Amino acid sequence: GNSVTQMEGPVTLSEEAFLTINCTYTATGYPSLFWYVQYPGEGLQLLLKATKADDKGSNKGFEATYRKETTSFHLEKGSVQVSDSAVYFCALKTNTGNQFYFGTGTSLTVIP
Amino acid sequence: NAGVTQTPKFQVLKTGQSMTLQCAQDMNHNSMYWYRQDPGMGLRLIYYSASEGTTDKGEVPNGYNVSRLNKREFSLRLESAAPSQTSVYFCASSEAGGFNQPQHFGDGTRLSIL
Repeated sequence: GNSVTQMEGPVTLSEEAFLTINCTYTATGYPSLFWYVQYPGEGLQLLLKATKADDKGSNKGFEATYRKETTSFHLEKGSVQVSDSAVYFCALKTNTGNQFYFGTGTSLTVIP
Repeated sequence: NAGVTQTPKFQVLKTGQSMTLQCAQDMNHNSMYWYRQDPGMGLRLIYYSASEGTTDKGEVPNGYNVSRLNKREFSLRLESAAPSQTSVYFCASSEAGGFNQPQHFGDGTRLSIL
């Protein structure tokens, strides 16, 4: 079946620290991969995506590379800010269905 | 451009009451989805509609019904609310057929069942 596994949170970092949030997946079809961000009291917003192996998605200083050999899509940022505090979700969609599959989310808190 | 609009934003119900959550999108998307979000559980799919006139069950459909009223609107109905349905409900939409197209989410409906 299709599933996404994210690293457990919560994650607390100091401002300007390096961020990695791990995401691995299993998929029966050929997946596209997504990272979403959810700020308090809001819905999910697309952060970045990658649609084929070795693609790198990037946005707002965040990056993630689609690694087919390790079935991973880890989210990274070189220097986090307080404003990056949010919950981050990894997700996939395959070319064989209409559903999206989400990880359980990782809460990030950045302290000044 | 409003995107995905959900109403109401907050609601408190008593056990056994019924209500309908409304969702509308203005992006001409074919597919629409209803999720619930509970602490530590991530997002769980309740129902989805791949295109106008079709609906399918997701992971947790029990206790819910949906109606795809037209291409823009997709409503979720709780016929007899239970405390276990206390949650934040999100509606989303996406282009069908394009598996590289993301979902767009509304801001959610925060529902409490007493």
